Amino acid sequence: KNEVEQSPQNLTAQEGEFITINCSYSVGISALHWLQQHPGGGIVSLFMLSSGKKKHGRLIATINIQEKHSSLHITASHPRDSAVYICAVRFVNDMRFGAGTRLTVKP
Amino acid sequence: KAGVTQTPRYLIKTRGQQVTLSCSPISGHRSVSWYQQTPGQGLQFLFEYFSETQRNKGNFPGRFSGRQFSNSRSEMNVSTLELGDSALYLCASSLPGAADTQYFGPGTRLTVL
Repeated sequence: KNEVEQSPQNLTAQEGEFITINCSYSVGISALHWLQQHPGGGIVSLFMLSSGKKKHGRLIATINIQEKHSSLHITASHPRDSAVYICAVRFVNDMRFGAGTRLTVKP
Repeated sequence: KAGVTQTPRYLIKTRGQQVTLSCSPISGHRSVSWYQQTPGQGLQFLFEYFSETQRNKGNFPGRFSGRQFSNSRSEMNVSTLELGDSALYLCASSLPGAADTQYFGPGTRLTVL
């Protein structure tokens, strides 16, 4: 069983829609990262969370430590948001990744 | 400030050969991590180095090794290449501290024929 579960695997939205991507993990962590990967492979770290909520522009990330769950929200989605979004959790001696959510935003 | 650089960007090798990949972190970053990304397994953690010491290692065979130099540059080596080693190899650097934001390089795409 993968220790990091992401949902949905694929998501298609119309421009302007509100997007939510979910990430659940099975054991205690020291931090959780949300990553964005565009075609071609480049990865950008969007957020690093250990508690609460962070916001950057149209992106919002939340984490609930007790429920071992995090969400990434995109408000007013835009075609340039089309990418693969990956949840990564930092354990004591390791880092594990979700399988990723492929987001396509249509104009 | 320059980002994380990786060389080479693309590499083609044959089974049984060995390969060395290089990563130069952002200036001032002393922690470097390496990851493998394949279509089947996704992203997987290989190793983490800090101040020339390997702090953590993922679940990979001994054919995968790495090191970090005093200037924080890091190399990873894969010996006796197998077809399944074909992947995008990414390195990321961060300031010291387990929870610090990681900055990823563009990756080295290795193809093993």
